[in-house]
Amino acid sequence: AQRVTQPEKLLSVFKGAPVELKCNYSYSGSPELFWYVQYSRQRLQLLLRHISRESIKGFTADLNKGETSFHLKKPFAQEEDSAMYYCALWNEKLTFGTGTRLTIIP
Amino acid sequence: DGGITQSPKYLFRKEGQNVTLSCEQNLNHDAMYWYRQDPGQGLRLIYYSQIVNDFQKGDIAEGYSVSREKKESFPLTVTSAQKNPTAFYLCASSHSGSYNEQFFGPGTRLTVL
Repeated sequence: AQRVTQPEKLLSVFKGAPVELKCNYSYSGSPELFWYVQYSRQRLQLLLRHISRESIKGFTADLNKGETSFHLKKPFAQEEDSAMYYCALWNEKLTFGTGTRLTIIP
Repeated sequence: DGGITQSPKYLFRKEGQNVTLSCEQNLNHDAMYWYRQDPGQGLRLIYYSQIVNDFQKGDIAEGYSVSREKKESFPLTVTSAQKNPTAFYLCASSHSGSYNEQFFGPGTRLTVL
């Protein structure tokens, strides 16, 4: 069965510091992975997907099949990055991790 | 935002009662989903539907039921058989087929008194 693990429930980072939100997965096939974000009082929305290999709001995520990871990174945190972040894996349906609440300290 | 609506925003029910949560979309999406969001547990899939008049159980379907009589609507009924129904419920929709971005509604918070 597929599984997504986000080991950090809470993460606090100072403004301007680098951010890394960890995501590990277990899946026997070739994974399709995503990051979703929920800002305060807003709906859950797609942030980025690994297949597009794009940078959204300064965030990037690289799929590492050897380590079965898909960590989300940003070199310089901004206050507006404070939100709940979910890693998700697609195989006919989305399986979400438990989420990481990121707080940026001014 | 927009395109997917859920009602009501807050819902209270007594133990032993069934309750139905509404989800409507005008995005012309074929696929619709119901998730349950609990603190520390992320989102868990309850039911999903890829096309009208067809739906499949997700990971935690016990105690829930759905219908998909119209493309735009995918109501979720929380039955009295659901042992721990107090939660935040999210509905989503997407184009069907291989992965397409899911668009989420604002959610309904259900509290069992």
